[in-house]
Amino acid sequence: QQQVKQSPQSLIVQKGGIPIINCAYENTAFDYFPWYQQFPGKGPALLIAIRPDVSEKKEGRFTISFNKSAKQFSLHIMDSQPGDSATYFCAARHGNKLVFGAGTILRVKS
Amino acid sequence: NAGVMQNPRHLVRRRGQEARLRCSPMKGHSHVYWYRQLPEEGLKFMVYLQKENIIDESGMPKERFSAEFPKEGPSILRIQQVVRGDSAAYFCASSPPALETQYFGPGTRLLVL
Repeated sequence: QQQVKQSPQSLIVQKGGIPIINCAYENTAFDYFPWYQQFPGKGPALLIAIRPDVSEKKEGRFTISFNKSAKQFSLHIMDSQPGDSATYFCAARHGNKLVFGAGTILRVKS
Repeated sequence: NAGVMQNPRHLVRRRGQEARLRCSPMKGHSHVYWYRQLPEEGLKFMVYLQKENIIDESGMPKERFSAEFPKEGPSILRIQQVVRGDSAAYFCASSPPALETQYFGPGTRLLVL
């Protein structure tokens, strides 16, 4: 019940494409859903986050779509660039801890 | 405004030795969290501390691992008698009170030989 399932494991898109990363959860007690971006050898950096009472949130080229009834949420990256190549993690908060998905390795080809 | 600082960035230990990992939270942050990341996996919660208090240690292994966040100085994650399975990246995060966003440090990569 504490799991967050993330897919796909890896993703390759052309520059300008719109990669979509999906996450699903079971625990309805989760109340905050952040996305983190991680480059090799670095710590995760917060990208964008959403609460379950909102269905969509945009910040720059990043958009979260949230479907509370389906217990799913996804990250869309508009006009993707080679510099977006990184590992992306979704997470869900329960109490004071974050439960992370397994990560998606994104490669944007120039 | 400096971010979350962790040191050392890389640590090599032989089996049976002790590893001490340090984390200085962002200025104004009084909440510290430790997570472990095994190769090609997501981060797993270990422990949540406030100054001088362990609030939630539900993710900590029962033996050999301990954490503290003293009134003065950094938070310390201590691993006694390390084994090869302890090799991982250990990340610290911090947040101010009443704010859900956790900001992560660069991590300490522990290698046990």
